[in-house]
Amino acid sequence: AQSVSQHNHHVILSEAASLELGCNYSYGGTVNLFWYVQYPGQHLQLLLKYFSGDPLVKGIKGFEAEFIKSKFSFNLRKPSVQWSDTAEYFCAVATGTASKLTFGTGTRLQVTL
Amino acid sequence: NAGVTQTPKFRVLKTGQSMTLLCAQDMNHEYMYWYRQDPGMGLRLIHYSVGEGTTAKGEVPDGYNVSRLKKQNFLLGLESAAPSQTSVYFCASSYRGRYSNQPQHFGDGTRLSIL
Repeated sequence: AQSVSQHNHHVILSEAASLELGCNYSYGGTVNLFWYVQYPGQHLQLLLKYFSGDPLVKGIKGFEAEFIKSKFSFNLRKPSVQWSDTAEYFCAVATGTASKLTFGTGTRLQVTL
Repeated sequence: NAGVTQTPKFRVLKTGQSMTLLCAQDMNHEYMYWYRQDPGMGLRLIHYSVGEGTTAKGEVPDGYNVSRLKKQNFLLGLESAAPSQTSVYFCASSYRGRYSNQPQHFGDGTRLSIL
């Protein structure tokens, strides 16, 4: 069975700091990769996705992620975080049929003023 | 356009009681899913459906049943609730896409406590 690892469980940054959240997956075949964000008390929202083409994908709110096939990684980045980015971030992988997602355990980001 | 709507939003049950969570989507999506979210464990797939009248087991199906009698609705049932089923439940839906590349759209969640 495939798995998704997010090694950073809780990250605390000051506003304007740069962000990189790690995501590694175990599946060796074709994958579709997603980052979702969950703001406090809200549902998951799609930040960005990758399924083919340019391995550097840009999403909403200034986020981007780079797919590195050789490292089985799909790290999320943002050059300068804002207080409003405080949320939980989930990496997810879809394989096979029915677009079923396997999620990582999530990274809680806390941005301080 | 409401997207994915879950009812109820909160519920407290006693051990052994039964209940049904309702998920409705108005985007004409073929696929629908039920997840549970527990602290430190991310989201785990309970059951899913690829179309009206079809359902399949996910990663953690035990203790749950589902039905999809209409394309827009996906029901999650707990026949005999247990404290281990205390969780936040999310419904999601997506289009049928090639190679699983369609993003899922999530509802606001149902917070369920089993005493």
